[in-house]
Amino acid sequence: EAGVAQSPRYKIIEKRQSVAFWCNPISGHATLYWYQQILGQGPKLLIQFQNNGVVDDSQLPKDRFSAERLKGVDSTLKIQPAKLEDSAVYLCASSQRQGSNYGYTFGSGTRLTVV
Amino acid sequence: GNSVTQMEGPVTLSEEAFLTINCTYTATGYPSLFWYVQYPGEGLQLLLKATKADDKGSNKGFEATYRKETTSFHLEKGSVQVSDSAVYFCALHLSGGYNKLIFGAGTRLAVHP
Repeated sequence: EAGVAQSPRYKIIEKRQSVAFWCNPISGHATLYWYQQILGQGPKLLIQFQNNGVVDDSQLPKDRFSAERLKGVDSTLKIQPAKLEDSAVYLCASSQRQGSNYGYTFGSGTRLTVV
Repeated sequence: GNSVTQMEGPVTLSEEAFLTINCTYTATGYPSLFWYVQYPGEGLQLLLKATKADDKGSNKGFEATYRKETTSFHLEKGSVQVSDSAVYFCALHLSGGYNKLIFGAGTRLAVHP
């Protein structure tokens, strides 16, 4: 089966600019996650969708980050305006359903550099 | 709160050496435990998992046993290869109202011929 697709692979922007990342999960996977992985740290969950509804966005900096999953398939994560500390790899993952028995499949990520 | 602590890297080994990467966790409830691996330039891949106490997860020669009494899930491999060079992440998952995967900081492994 095709994996989780993410684009772009790399992005360099200046602080205060805006940026958007795109994710296409595995077909049929109802749950989609966005993680932020800062260099030298483990991934941190930003937001979790179940179909097109938000399940958990408690760690999402809502003053600058937003995400949507229209029609319960593709998802977009946006940052506006970006700060230097947003430099990280943004990982998208999907699973068939919520729960640990349904393994997460991760995309290759988008590496964001804010200068 | 819920968290995962891993030994700091990098871990540098010669080919065919024995590998141990320590992982301990703090959790409310009964988590499932995972090891993920991230090869250079690639996404995270599930390496192995264990869903209850005393379970042993294994894959590609790697093993880890869920030890509830010591809240640990140490990763081991008897003989590492150069191709095992990667970053390894320990993670826990709690179901119910706290349904998310929580990762440790990762341990970089470098294996030399």
